[in-house]
Amino acid sequence: GESVGLHLPTLSVQEGDNSIINCAYSNSASDYFIWYKQESGKGPQFIIDIRSNMDKRQGQRVTVLLNKTVKHLSLQIAATQPGDSAVYFCAENSRSGGGADGLTFGKGTHLIIQP
Amino acid sequence: EADIYQTPRYLVIGTGKKITLECSQTMGHDKMYWYQQDPGMELHLIHYSYGVNSTEKGDLSSESTVSRIRTEHFPLTLESARPSHTSQYLCASSEWTFETQYFGPGTRLLVL
Repeated sequence: GESVGLHLPTLSVQEGDNSIINCAYSNSASDYFIWYKQESGKGPQFIIDIRSNMDKRQGQRVTVLLNKTVKHLSLQIAATQPGDSAVYFCAENSRSGGGADGLTFGKGTHLIIQP
Repeated sequence: EADIYQTPRYLVIGTGKKITLECSQTMGHDKMYWYQQDPGMELHLIHYSYGVNSTEKGDLSSESTVSRIRTEHFPLTLESARPSHTSQYLCASSEWTFETQYFGPGTRLLVL
């Protein structure tokens, strides 16, 4: 079936710099996307979401960008802090692809913060 | 923090044993989900429920079963555990009209 995926399994950034985590999806019918943060030993934590009728959405220190033309999703984290170290997953609603009524997850990017 | 709980957090068990992983949420959410996640990998949906007495299979085939007798409770059962069932199991819930899912802390299962 169709799925979302990420470009890089690991991203290393300096503390204080901005981070950009990318995600490519293949289902052009997807209408809802979400970013999760998963720290070691914990369940995924909601960060931000976006619907397909939007190109950009901002939260506290995070911004999600959606480019439907190239089916690309990105998460920008401003002024990266040590507490941002985690694995980040993008996900789309499976139902839009004819799948079950849940989320289809990408493979995850491990964000490493260098002091 | 979402009010969704999973027990046990860690379980080591021998092959052939029957196990039940518990999941409870206090948010009154209608929809609940079970995902399976291998270390460092993506999550795969194995079961979901729209509400009481509703259970559906997810995209990933699983030998586990689920039940939904109460809104707040969505247990997952393995009748006969095997080493191939070793994984992390994550429970989530969401409101009926919103797709944002909130996850519990997970249960790490090791079958010897």
